[in-house]
Amino acid sequence: QVQLVQSGAEVKKPGASVKVSCKLSGHTLTQLAMHWVRQTPGEGLEWMGGFDPEEGETIYAQKFQGRVAMSEDTSAETAYMDLSGLRSEDTAVYYCATAPLCGGSTCRVLDDWGQGTLVTVSS
Amino acid sequence: DIQMTQSPSSLSASVGDRVTITCRASQSLGIYLNWYQQKQGTAPKLLIYAASTLQTGVPSRFSGSGSGTDFTLTISSLQREDFATYFCQQSYGTPRTFGQGTKVEIK
Repeated sequence: QVQLVQSGAEVKKPGASVKVSCKLSGHTLTQLAMHWVRQTPGEGLEWMGGFDPEEGETIYAQKFQGRVAMSEDTSAETAYMDLSGLRSEDTAVYYCATAPLCGGSTCRVLDDWGQGTLVTVSS
Repeated sequence: DIQMTQSPSSLSASVGDRVTITCRASQSLGIYLNWYQQKQGTAPKLLIYAASTLQTGVPSRFSGSGSGTDFTLTISSLQREDFATYFCQQSYGTPRTFGQGTKVEIK
């Protein structure tokens, strides 16, 4: 059974960076595609990016291009999401979520989710 | 970006009611459409993928239909544990956009 455990809440100042971790158990990162989604009261759920098996690389939403970096430490079964240049609008709950490592409509799903990490950006 | 519009944004219903939520896409998705349920303070949970395939473990009172631009999530007989917010998500294009959500409340 897949379990994703994320790091704790963060408070950051505008302009700073944040790194959220997501530890996987019950499976292995090399056999899954990791994605990141955030949720705000104003924008709702926003897909930030994730590994696309059909492209063979991590794809980022254009909105976050240049500010976000997603990485993995497969030896530690842990994924990371780095967001830089934080502004107040980045205050959100950030989720990691996994998808099967395959292509097509039945594979482009987020079937297991972490518990979420609240990131607050405030001066 | 593909825009996803859900309706209604909220609804009140009673236990045992049949509930229908619709999701419309700004362009054709084929069947690249998923539905999620989110309860207060928890992460979303996958209910239906590829428009109509029930995720393992999800009760059969949930069903999905549609293709192209118009999709529907139906709960055949609402149970107390179904009071939550429901989101559609398209997985056809990047970014994989979500609908704004439909909150199902107790009447």
